[in-house]
Amino acid sequence: SAVISQKPSRDICQRGTSLTIQCQVDSQVTMMFWYRQQPGQSLTLIATANQGSEATYESGFVIDKFPISRPNLTFSTLTVSNMSPEDSSIYLCSVGGGRLDTEAFFGQGTRLTVV
Amino acid sequence: SQQGEEDPQALSIQEGENATMNCSYKTSINNLQWYRQNSGRGLVHLILIRSNEREKHSGRLRVTLDTSKKSSSLLITASRAADTASYFCATADNYGQNFVFGPGTRLSVLP
Repeated sequence: SAVISQKPSRDICQRGTSLTIQCQVDSQVTMMFWYRQQPGQSLTLIATANQGSEATYESGFVIDKFPISRPNLTFSTLTVSNMSPEDSSIYLCSVGGGRLDTEAFFGQGTRLTVV
Repeated sequence: SQQGEEDPQALSIQEGENATMNCSYKTSINNLQWYRQNSGRGLVHLILIRSNEREKHSGRLRVTLDTSKKSSSLLITASRAADTASYFCATADNYGQNFVFGPGTRLSVLP
């Protein structure tokens, strides 16, 4: 199993600013995943973060908007840049999951509201 | 896209009743998983069923998988108010390249 500490748990931000979300895992993992969950919707994968290489982004997501850092095997950050109200969502980090034929573990999520 | 799709979108039942949620997907899968999310927080894994399995149980949960129909169901028996949450299915394809969540079912269990 894995325990993930994600922060902040929520924030209200002004449009045009940026917010960095942090995730700390209690064990070393190769891949960490970042998801976005828009209000009332399901989870959409933003990117996969590997230590020592650039993140791999899914269609519709770009590095300039969602830069990701992965400095070591237990930590990652996601930045939501130049925010607009459309970025208001819950952002979740995760490890494990179907790619590895295992269950996924999630942080508690960051509820972002952009005003 | 092989995104799973759940129905119903929302379900409201009385405590003690059983709740059944369904998930459909489009392509071949390696496994299918069910997760619970309370009040927009992190997801909690409930159960994983592999493509060569047809049924699994875990406590009050029963999951079935029909690969010929590309569908799965989650049954929660003797529901409790604490089961109130959103439930998502997630599928992993045969190459392990995609892990995709369905739209979810919002379950309300009334006391």
